[in-house]
Amino acid sequence: EAQVTQNPRYLITVTGKKLTVTCSQNMNHEYMSWYRQDPGLGLRQIYYSMNVEVTDKGDVPEGYKVSRKEKRNFPLILESPSPNQTSLYFCASSEGAFSSYEQYFGPGTRLTVT
Amino acid sequence: LAKTTQPISMDSYEGQEVNITCSHNNIATNDYITWYQQFPSQGPRFIIQGYKTKVTNEVASLFIPADRKSSTLSLPRVSLSDTAVYYCLVGDPQDTGRRALTFGSGTRLQVQP
Repeated sequence: EAQVTQNPRYLITVTGKKLTVTCSQNMNHEYMSWYRQDPGLGLRQIYYSMNVEVTDKGDVPEGYKVSRKEKRNFPLILESPSPNQTSLYFCASSEGAFSSYEQYFGPGTRLTVT
Repeated sequence: LAKTTQPISMDSYEGQEVNITCSHNNIATNDYITWYQQFPSQGPRFIIQGYKTKVTNEVASLFIPADRKSSTLSLPRVSLSDTAVYYCLVGDPQDTGRRALTFGSGTRLQVQP
């Protein structure tokens, strides 16, 4: 089954404790991205990757890091999480980078930073 | 950055037709307009996509005027299960190598019995 998986689905952590949210897709997609969703603000892109070793900032990259060492994986790293990063996070993938390609979203990761 | 504008919320009743308009004044020449549907605590899912004029599938229709500065998602005869948030997506017209994607804030559709 074609899918995007994220782990963990739920995470509660404390300020400053480094964490990683994993994202994996099994569709051989080149384009992957991370979004955060907050009430009233819709989906905002954090980082995206056009291919292995090619990443770039989206609209709200501050406080996040990503890496793309393998085509299927695109982990999101919070080196020093803060309460304002409490949010619902989605990973997505698509065949290509243009908006004409359908985005496939993961189930989401709900992060709480205390 | 590209910006889309949609109504924050809409209300409807079962069986009615719902039209949601998205404004995207700065859409790039190469970009398509794509609409997604999102249920609570789930990731968005693709509904329909178009470049110009009209597109129809089994779920919805999409109307795009000639200037492509807006688009209208039309849901015929909505049911309670259509209650969701709807997003339109376009690319970034200032993107000259970057390929950022920008979703709007979405339109929350509430369908009443």
